[in-house]
Amino acid sequence: GAGVSQSPRYKVAKRGQDVALRCDPISGHVSLFWYQQALGQGPEFLTYFQNEAQLDKSGLPSDRFFAERPEGSVSTLKIQRTQQEDSAVYLCASSQPPGPQGTQYFGPGTRLTVL
Amino acid sequence: QKEVEQDPGPLSVPEGAIVSLNCTYSNSAFQYFMWYRQYSRKGPELLMYTYSSGNKEDGRFTAQVDKSSKYISLFIRDSQPSDSATYLCAMFPPLGNKLTFGGGTRVLVKP
Repeated sequence: GAGVSQSPRYKVAKRGQDVALRCDPISGHVSLFWYQQALGQGPEFLTYFQNEAQLDKSGLPSDRFFAERPEGSVSTLKIQRTQQEDSAVYLCASSQPPGPQGTQYFGPGTRLTVL
Repeated sequence: QKEVEQDPGPLSVPEGAIVSLNCTYSNSAFQYFMWYRQYSRKGPELLMYTYSSGNKEDGRFTAQVDKSSKYISLFIRDSQPSDSATYLCAMFPPLGNKLTFGGGTRVLVKP
């Protein structure tokens, strides 16, 4: 079936605006991850869901970042009061089964630019 | 200092050459080691996945893990222009789901 999809692909926000980024994982994948990738850097872990439960949010950089996956499929990453340092590509990945045995499949990312 | 270090490159090689990439890491708990390829404006895609120390070969790709030295390598034989991309190493501890990436090495294969 289809891979991981993300929308929008590009988002420009003025500083202080709120943004919402969407991830559609591969159907049936239990695990869902969000990563932040700054320009010229590797992805950095933000948060992890197993079904609808957010099991790890240790990578979220501040309380302005919030993620949810209410029905255990689609996930939304919300950033409130965006700052210039939030400019990055936000990647979503899904995997099945959970844990290191499950290959993480990545979406194309949402490129966020905060002016 | 980051947990996983990777030379950013760029690494430029002629078509047909062997590409040699490596990462060092500091966390001895890492047990699962991966190499991802990322084309410009795309998400990373998994190339190789190895568990603990040893070698693994898949077509033109060979991954090596030396846990005693905390050093992993990826070799690409008979490189093609289509191999031009950023290569990311990534690691998992035995428990948990937090994948830790290196910064990526940009590779350019010239025809």
